[in-house]
Amino acid sequence: DTAVSQTPKYLVTQMGNDKSIKCEQNLGHDTMYWYKQDSKKFLKIMFSYNNKELIINETVPNRFSPKSPDKAHLNLHINSLELGDSAVYFCASSQAWQGSGNTIYFGEGSWLTVV
Amino acid sequence: SQQGEEDPQALSIQEGENATMNCSYKTSINNLQWYRQNSGRGLVHLILIRSNEREKHSGRLRVTLDTSKKSSSLLITASRAADTASYFCATPSGNTGKLIFGQGTTLQVKP
Repeated sequence: DTAVSQTPKYLVTQMGNDKSIKCEQNLGHDTMYWYKQDSKKFLKIMFSYNNKELIINETVPNRFSPKSPDKAHLNLHINSLELGDSAVYFCASSQAWQGSGNTIYFGEGSWLTVV
Repeated sequence: SQQGEEDPQALSIQEGENATMNCSYKTSINNLQWYRQNSGRGLVHLILIRSNEREKHSGRLRVTLDTSKKSSSLLITASRAADTASYFCATPSGNTGKLIFGQGTTLQVKP
């Protein structure tokens, strides 16, 4: 069974649309994340949740809204998509906060292309 | 600014050769992690080394950490075509301990 699963894998959409990416982890982890990887492979954290509570909210446009219905799920909703939102979005989880040396488990990524 | 920066950005070697990738960081850390990303896939954790460790091994991987130089290296011995991937170092940054990933080293191992 996949530890961190996210859907869809590929998403092509037009500017101005709203889209969601869903993520689930079956590892029993307390902490979940959304990362964005750009075309140069830079990986940046966007959000982090611990037991459904938001603990990290980087400088991300408020068009991006995460939602955690329970600690095993962290979904990402994006409103009014822009060309610059095209990237790979990774969901991830860890047993506890990553700064303590906890291993981060990544999903396979969602390739978002805005046209 | 990036906390961790890998060097070189790209590396191409023949199967059987060793591959060495370096990571430099800016602030004091208590641990450093290395991840691998195969093309079109998510990142996979390889190894973690703590600040009180100088060297760590895992299979064909050897990681060193020099806190005085704020640098780490990842050595893959007897490389295989399946080692072809991007390799990232990640270090905790600032008060939050948020992991900062470098841009990665893209390794190509030719059969």
